[in-house]
Amino acid sequence: GEDVEQSLFLSVREGDSSVINCTYTDSSSTYLYWYKQEPGAGLQLLTYIFSNMDMKQDQRLTVLLNKKDKHLSLRIADTQTGDSAIYFCAEAQNPGGFKTIFGAGTRLFVKA
Amino acid sequence: GAVVSQHPSRVICKSGTSVKIECRSLDFQATTMFWYRQFPKQSLMLMATSNEGSKATYEQGVEKDKFLINHASLTLSTLTVTSAHPEDSSFYICSVHKGGSGELFFGEGSRLTVL
Repeated sequence: GEDVEQSLFLSVREGDSSVINCTYTDSSSTYLYWYKQEPGAGLQLLTYIFSNMDMKQDQRLTVLLNKKDKHLSLRIADTQTGDSAIYFCAEAQNPGGFKTIFGAGTRLFVKA
Repeated sequence: GAVVSQHPSRVICKSGTSVKIECRSLDFQATTMFWYRQFPKQSLMLMATSNEGSKATYEQGVEKDKFLINHASLTLSTLTVTSAHPEDSSFYICSVHKGGSGELFFGEGSRLTVL
């Protein structure tokens, strides 16, 4: 079945770049997402990429998609302490009703 | 501002009672909404797909009679946890897909504690 995997923990220094990686198994994935979750809160959609794209940039965020290797990454430039949170990678299919499969989440810890 | 609203954000109930959680799409109509459950420090588990005007589609292992879903309008879906037990305590989150785009928005979640 479908599966999405992420490393569980990442620690960086403030000002450095963070790269969070994700792999997925379903080659028919249509959309791939990155969400941010702070403690006790819901999920904030950071960005998403359509499967026919290789890269998407939005301010400090850069998403890279290697469809051949089924690898997705999120790069956060100039990481700030406010970026400390859990980041979830997710994939969805359309058609398929946007049923979304999530990774386990990567906890990003930013050291001042 | 928020695109998806959930209510209540926190609820504490006694074992054996039923609890209703609402999910509203504020900015657009949604024929489909999704309900997830999240255990502490874990990922989200899709429970069911809520379909406006028809029965919800439940994921394998999710009890239909335990988790009642009603999608009565294009902007509102409700999840009712019936005869709640302590093991039902969890964080329940809904999501809404914005038609015509790949955007999938989530509510702020509802934390249920069953005593």
